[in-house]
Amino acid sequence: EAGVAQSPRYKIIEKRQSVAFWCNPISGHATLYWYQQILGQGPKLLIQFQNNGVVDDSQLPKDRFSAERLKGVDSTLKIQPAKLEDSAVYLCASSPTLAGGQYNEQFFGPGTRLTVL
Amino acid sequence: GNSVTQMEGPVTLSEEAFLTINCTYTATGYPSLFWYVQYPGEGLQLLLKATKADDKGSNKGFEATYRKETTSFHLEKGSVQVSDSAVYFCALRGGSARQLTFGSGTQLTVLP
Repeated sequence: EAGVAQSPRYKIIEKRQSVAFWCNPISGHATLYWYQQILGQGPKLLIQFQNNGVVDDSQLPKDRFSAERLKGVDSTLKIQPAKLEDSAVYLCASSPTLAGGQYNEQFFGPGTRLTVL
Repeated sequence: GNSVTQMEGPVTLSEEAFLTINCTYTATGYPSLFWYVQYPGEGLQLLLKATKADDKGSNKGFEATYRKETTSFHLEKGSVQVSDSAVYFCALRGGSARQLTFGSGTQLTVLP
């Protein structure tokens, strides 16, 4: 079974530029997550989708970050304009939907390492 | 809110040494607890989990016991291998919340 795919793996941009990341979850997984992992810290959830709807975006800096999952499959995360503090690894994860509200294991992609100069 | 505090690294051990990585948490209700591992160049993988007090999660020789009285979930392995070199993250999922709260990670290097 193919895992969560992300691209690009690395991106270097200058501040105030725009950047977009792409994620393709495991086939059939209804829930998709974007995390930000700053160096030396654990991942922090930015946004969670259930199919093509947003479940939680409370920690997404909406003045500059946006995300979409139009067809309920793959997703893009965009930063416009980027700031120096956005330098981090952006992780995508997906999980299946189980009945009864049981915990759904999250499967993570390899991440996109963003450097903002 | 929920938080996870992990033993700071990096940790360097010789092969076959005993490993402990400390993890304590703060959460309301009855969280589920997890250890994730991140090998170089790869995504996070679930290593083990425990969903209620006194549960012991285990996988690949690693173990962790959910201790509610000390709010801890320390990771242990009796004999580490070079292939265990990775970053280890403790995490919790509290109550009805869907999101995971992660610790800051502990880098483990095992030398032959």
